[in-house]
Amino acid sequence: KNQVEQSPQSLIILEGKNCTLQCNYTVSPFSNLRWYKQDTGRGPVSLTIMTFSENTKSNGRYTATLDADTKQSSLHITASQLSDSASYICVVADRGSTLGRLYFGRGTQLTVWP
Amino acid sequence: EADIYQTPRYLVIGTGKKITLECSQTMGHDKMYWYQQDPGMELHLIHYSYGVNSTEKGDLSSESTVSRIRTEHFPLTLESARPSHTSQYLCASSERVQETQYFGPGTRLLVL
Repeated sequence: KNQVEQSPQSLIILEGKNCTLQCNYTVSPFSNLRWYKQDTGRGPVSLTIMTFSENTKSNGRYTATLDADTKQSSLHITASQLSDSASYICVVADRGSTLGRLYFGRGTQLTVWP
Repeated sequence: EADIYQTPRYLVIGTGKKITLECSQTMGHDKMYWYQQDPGMELHLIHYSYGVNSTEKGDLSSESTVSRIRTEHFPLTLESARPSHTSQYLCASSERVQETQYFGPGTRLLVL
């Protein structure tokens, strides 16, 4: 069964600290993996997208890693800011379907305190 | 910021009412999607469209219906709302299948 599991479910850190969010997936055949940021009351916004051959991709203070062999990804946030408080969602695309089926994790709720 | 819009942003209605949630995008994307999201849960695809006059049901069974008469417009209709329909509804679009989906701000629906 194709699934995407994220951990931790929630995380509280102090402003300026770093953190790492985890994503494990069983989706096969794999097409790509995206990390989205969803602010409260808003729609998700794409942060990074990684294909099978990519190990690391950065977007400002956000760095995503992908290990396609172990089917794990992480999102590292450096020098956190209050505006980083949001839900971070891992999304994996299935290469096997014409729809481009997406599998969503439940997200990690990050709270950054001053 | 993506050019995809949803109205209303919040809606409180009584059981049995007919409602239409609006979604429009100005990016010219052929692919559009409707998702349902409950608090702390993953997004579930309820409808999608590959283009004008194309609509399909998604993975999550939904009593709602959709139409795609114009490329930029993808409204979702509930003929008779029930409390079980209370949720957040997110509309998204993409240029091609498996490319990044751009999401609207969502409509939070409360059915009393």
